Amino acid sequence: DTAVSQTPKYLVTQMGNDKSIKCEQNLGHDTMYWYKQDSKKFLKIMFSYNNKELIINETVPNRFSPKSPDKAHLNLHINSLELGDSAVYFCASTATGEISGNTIYFGEGSWLTVV
Amino acid sequence: QQPVQSPQAVILREGEDAVINCSSSKALYSVHWYRQKHGEAPVFLMILLKGGEQKGHEKISASFNEKKQQSSLYLTASQLSYSGTYFCGTAINNNDMRFGAGTRLTVKP
Repeated sequence: DTAVSQTPKYLVTQMGNDKSIKCEQNLGHDTMYWYKQDSKKFLKIMFSYNNKELIINETVPNRFSPKSPDKAHLNLHINSLELGDSAVYFCASTATGEISGNTIYFGEGSWLTVV
Repeated sequence: QQPVQSPQAVILREGEDAVINCSSSKALYSVHWYRQKHGEAPVFLMILLKGGEQKGHEKISASFNEKKQQSSLYLTASQLSYSGTYFCGTAINNNDMRFGAGTRLTVKP
């Protein structure tokens, strides 16, 4: 079983469209993240959620709206897509409060190309 | 604020050693190291929690100086499989994990 799963893996869409990326984790974790990795490979935090509550919103444009229906899911909806949104989007999760530390588990990534 | 990693890139021959450094301006809860191969997700290597802690993973080890908020990743007797981009991740609390810009490591035969 995949621990953190994202869909779709590849997405090619036109400028101005609206698209969603879904993420689910079956690890029982309580914190989930969205990271954006651009062509320069920089892994930039976008959002973090803990038990469905937004913890971090890292100056992401309003066109990006995360939604966490429960602690196992964190979806990302993007409105009015722009060329600069082309990137790999990684979902990740972790369990807070573990004595051994909060190891982060990444999904396989969603490759978004805006044309 | 994301940590600062250095160097940006390293090229090694098999069997050579390398050190990758990571520093933060904030007091850290933990430091994580990940390796990412091209086209794949980052993979966890190790986590360091306490000041002065050192850990090893085969021929890859790391240290964390809590006073200086610095961590170093040591790769000894490098193998071709070590090639990839190494990221340090720093956490100031349980819900805030930020990554450095990455260090691209290339190991050549």
